[in-house]
Amino acid sequence: DAGITQSPRHKVTETGTPVTLRCHQTENHRYMYWYRQDPGHGLRLIHYSYGVKDTDKGEVSDGYSVSRSKTEDFLLTLESATSSQTSVYFCAISESRGGFNQPQHFGDGTRLSIL
Amino acid sequence: TQLLEQSPQFLSIQEGENLTVYCNSSSVFSSLQWYRQEPGEGPVLLVTVVTGGEVKKLKRLTFQFGDARKDSSLHITAAQPGDTGLYLCAGGDDYKLSFGAGTTVTVRA
Repeated sequence: DAGITQSPRHKVTETGTPVTLRCHQTENHRYMYWYRQDPGHGLRLIHYSYGVKDTDKGEVSDGYSVSRSKTEDFLLTLESATSSQTSVYFCAISESRGGFNQPQHFGDGTRLSIL
Repeated sequence: TQLLEQSPQFLSIQEGENLTVYCNSSSVFSSLQWYRQEPGEGPVLLVTVVTGGEVKKLKRLTFQFGDARKDSSLHITAAQPGDTGLYLCAGGDDYKLSFGAGTTVTVRA
């Protein structure tokens, strides 16, 4: 199994509070991704990173920011959480972009509930 | 609107039966990946197909990529309870990997 650790695994918080999710990898892969998974929508890309301090937006980036100060860590921040951001969040890594044709390896997810 | 449409959404069968899951799109992809996800875990890659018309077999699982590289299918022969899970297809191009909403497969013992 790819060495990907997401923390926390579960979190309940209130609307308007800031939330940071962490993804840590031990594979030294260049590319890291944050997805959210909601019923009926599959996995949707929030942001991705193609190197230290190099990030770009995905299809559902509004309300989210990311940072990558080290190869192994990719942080996802909800500056002011809203109920619509209740979801399961997955981090993924891949060795190279390869036109997004390279397989992605996923962490076990963070279940986030915003009340 | 989902770029990749998977059907059926849910599938429940008896152990030993065969099943097919479909993944369709109006877009052409450079590759098509299939993942399986179990409750409480992240998706795990099963296979990647990259050539139109390509067929790959993984034990009892057969994956096919359409000639036009717009659709794919996953066929499971003699399904077992261990095949239970959410099956996701994902189409890749130069800019993104797009996922279907998934097919939930339940194999009853």
